[in-house]
Amino acid sequence: GDSVTQMEGPVTLSEEAFLTINCTYTATGYPSLFWYVQYPGEGLQLLLKATKADDKGSNKGFEATYRKETTSFHLEKGSVQVSDSAVYFCALSAIQGAQKLVFGQGTRLTINP
Amino acid sequence: KAGVTQTPRYLIKTRGQQVTLSCSPISGHRSVSWYQQTPGQGLQFLFEYFSETQRNKGNFPGRFSGRQFSNSRSEMNVSTLELGDSALYLCASSLVEGYTEAFFGQGTRLTVV
Repeated sequence: GDSVTQMEGPVTLSEEAFLTINCTYTATGYPSLFWYVQYPGEGLQLLLKATKADDKGSNKGFEATYRKETTSFHLEKGSVQVSDSAVYFCALSAIQGAQKLVFGQGTRLTINP
Repeated sequence: KAGVTQTPRYLIKTRGQQVTLSCSPISGHRSVSWYQQTPGQGLQFLFEYFSETQRNKGNFPGRFSGRQFSNSRSEMNVSTLELGDSALYLCASSLVEGYTEAFFGQGTRLTVV
């Protein structure tokens, strides 16, 4: 079945460091790929998305490129801030026209000042 | 515009009882999906409703059920509660046009004692 694998957390960085959170997926067909972020006590917020190969999603300084050849969708940010501390989830949607997301396990990110 | 509203935010129930959770989607959204989030299993898809019809269902026992009303509001019900049902239950709404993004509510925290 469809699945998403994220790098194990937690990840701790200093402010202004470079961030990479790895995400790989297994799916039939051509899924859409997403990164969601969850702040403490909150639901999930969509951070960025990509719907086809080589698409780059970007938002708030975060970027991820849909790589079909490596089945990856790694999240990157050039300079993290304390406010980026949260749990990040990579997800895919493999059924066209349906809202059935398959999530990775999540990566907890802590940024120290 | 108002976001996805879930009620109640917190619930404590006893084993064997049943519980009903409510979700009001973003105005104009016709698809509602439900997810269970636990520390051990992560985020797992429960079911999706569109135009009052269940479109997709995850791998959960029949004790988990849901429905959607004509105004797109949705409820999920869990009968004969077990300790393992303790979780954060998240509702998401979307327009459902191809690979649309899902907007999540803050969730209902259910504790079974």
